[in-house]
Formats: sequence, C-alpha cells, structure tokens
Amino acid sequence: DSGVTQTPKHLITATGQRVTLRCSPRSGDLSVYWYQQSLDQGLQFLIQYYNGEERAKGNILERFSAQQFPDLHSELNLSSLELGDSALYFCASSPSGQVYEQYFGPGTRLTVT
Amino acid sequence: LAKTTQPISMDSYEGQEVNITCSHNNIATNDYITWYQQFPSQGPRFIIQGYKTKVTNEVASLFIPADRKSSTLSLPRVSLSDTAVYYCLVGAINTGGFKTIFGAGTRLFVKA
Repeated sequence: DSGVTQTPKHLITATGQRVTLRCSPRSGDLSVYWYQQSLDQGLQFLIQYYNGEERAKGNILERFSAQQFPDLHSELNLSSLELGDSALYFCASSPSGQVYEQYFGPGTRLTVT
Repeated sequence: LAKTTQPISMDSYEGQEVNITCSHNNIATNDYITWYQQFPSQGPRFIIQGYKTKVTNEVASLFIPADRKSSTLSLPRVSLSDTAVYYCLVGAINTGGFKTIFGAGTRLFVKA
C-alpha cells in the first residue's frame, strides 16, 4: 500500500460524457502527478501539481483538466470522452524536493463505450 | 532531458541474479537515476535511486560507474514474483517540475 488513494476503481461511461477521477496523496506529500496508461501508449505523464499550483504539463489533451485543492487532494476531469480515452489513470505523489521518488495509487480503470 | 535506453525484455530463472542496464549518455551533472517496477494493472513502484557509485536497499542494488553514462539495476536471487516491467528514469530530482517520460521499460520474465 503506497498511501495514495484513488477513486473510483472502475468507471464505465459513454462517449461524449464527462467524468471526474479523484486522488488523495500520501500524508505530507505536496506534489501530485497524473498519468494515463493504455495498452498501446505505455505510461504517459499528464500533469503535475505542487501545493495547489500547476507545476509541469505533459501530454494532456485540452479535453482534460486537473486541479489540486487546499487539502491537497486532486481531481482529473475528462470531458467529451472518446473510445480512445479508455485506459488506466494513475495518480502519484512525491515528497517535497523529490520529483522522481513518486508513490503511485492503485489507479482508476476507465472504459468508454 | 537525458534519453535512456534499456533492453526491451529479459528472461531469467528463479534464484538467479538479474542485472538490467540502462544507458544515459547525455546525463547532466544534477541528474539522478531512478528505477521503478510495475506489475500488470498496478501503478509503478519506486525501487531505488542513486547519483554515483553503489546504492543498496532491501530490494535491489544500483551500480553507477564513474562516468555515469550508464547504470545497472541488480536484483539478487529473483523469484517468479519479480516478473514485471522495470523503468529507468534520469533527471534532476529537485527542479520542482517533473520533466521526464517513462519509456517502454524492460520486461523481465522469471521462469521456474
């Protein structure tokens, strides 16, 4: 158990819909990272937040957005969903001063039908 | 960003020592080397991190030569449960912003 929690575990929705994935980092970690992993794309970094502010952006689509709240939990919003958005979405957190020592949550499996 | 190169896959047998090498010829002065392990349908797990020479923890050892252009993750006496994908990442750990990618990694398959 990494200490990072993600909800929901599974999500099934239809094309065109919008969903929100939630992540709670490990106690004391200020950085949160979001990743997408599909079979044909590998693990893709989406975005990083640090203490409520966006710190780094990766391959995140414009239809996707994220935020980190004052209590440090984070949400990833996916809108206008397409079949190709079906994937595992992971959240990770890291201690201050350590962007490469990340602790990953169990993931949310999103299926778009 | 330092580009890394790892073997796509490796096979081993239970009880053997496995060494996975990662090449990072353009590693920068401030860069560290970090390794992760990932099982199917699970998030990657941080294994070990180092800057130079040798680092050892309860899971693995990391060997980094003086020129730091490569590194070797050593897994002692592997078991079937070590079958996983192993990723090598290189970057400055305290830049504040995360600037790297997980590549394809090395698929290690441990056989009985």
